[in-house]
Amino acid sequence: NAGVMQNPRHLVRRRGQEARLRCSPMKGHSHVYWYRQLPEEGLKFMVYLQKENIIDESGMPKERFSAEFPKEGPSILRIQQVVRGDSAAYFCASSPYKGDSGANVLTFGAGSRLTVL
Amino acid sequence: DQQVKQNSPSLSVQEGRISILNCDYTNSMFDYFLWYKKYPAEGPTFLISISSIKDKNEDGRFTVFLNKSAKHLSLHIVPSQPGDSAVYFCAASVVWGNTPLVFGKGTRLSVIA
Repeated sequence: NAGVMQNPRHLVRRRGQEARLRCSPMKGHSHVYWYRQLPEEGLKFMVYLQKENIIDESGMPKERFSAEFPKEGPSILRIQQVVRGDSAAYFCASSPYKGDSGANVLTFGAGSRLTVL
Repeated sequence: DQQVKQNSPSLSVQEGRISILNCDYTNSMFDYFLWYKKYPAEGPTFLISISSIKDKNEDGRFTVFLNKSAKHLSLHIVPSQPGDSAVYFCAASVVWGNTPLVFGKGTRLSVIA
């Protein structure tokens, strides 16, 4: 009965490197959301995906950031050429299909903490 | 543009007393509101929700009140326990289901024994 699984939990990168964060949604959930929490800030929405589709990426920075949720495997949030300002906690959440009860509740993973040196 | 505002960054309450956490919103299209609790180094966990057709929802020690005309909601915790010490986030959405939630910045609650 695993919840939302995120890995790695901690990731250290030097400026200019790439960061890849992975998220496996809860069993039976087909919708994935990525949020970012900067120090002393709230949760900022980045992107919402279903399998093989990006539904809403209005919160995603225009450059260097991309996300995917392939037919098989976890959702990936990719940050290219990281900068110090990318240091944050990145949370993934999932929800079931709209017709299922609880579809309004996002279930969060424990987060991936990215540190850019 | 902060659509969901939690104006108190922190709150201290004695064990056994009532904790009241407040949240204001600016988008009149929001119809669904949720509260999440977050411990350090963990993800947020869902606590309680309310839709705009109600003005109160209760679950054990937790009650959420919604005042749509004032665009204000509050979470009451009675009685407060030390284990309630966490950051509480207010969140909102326009539609129900399969939609991103808009979060406030959170209020850190400390329950003192």
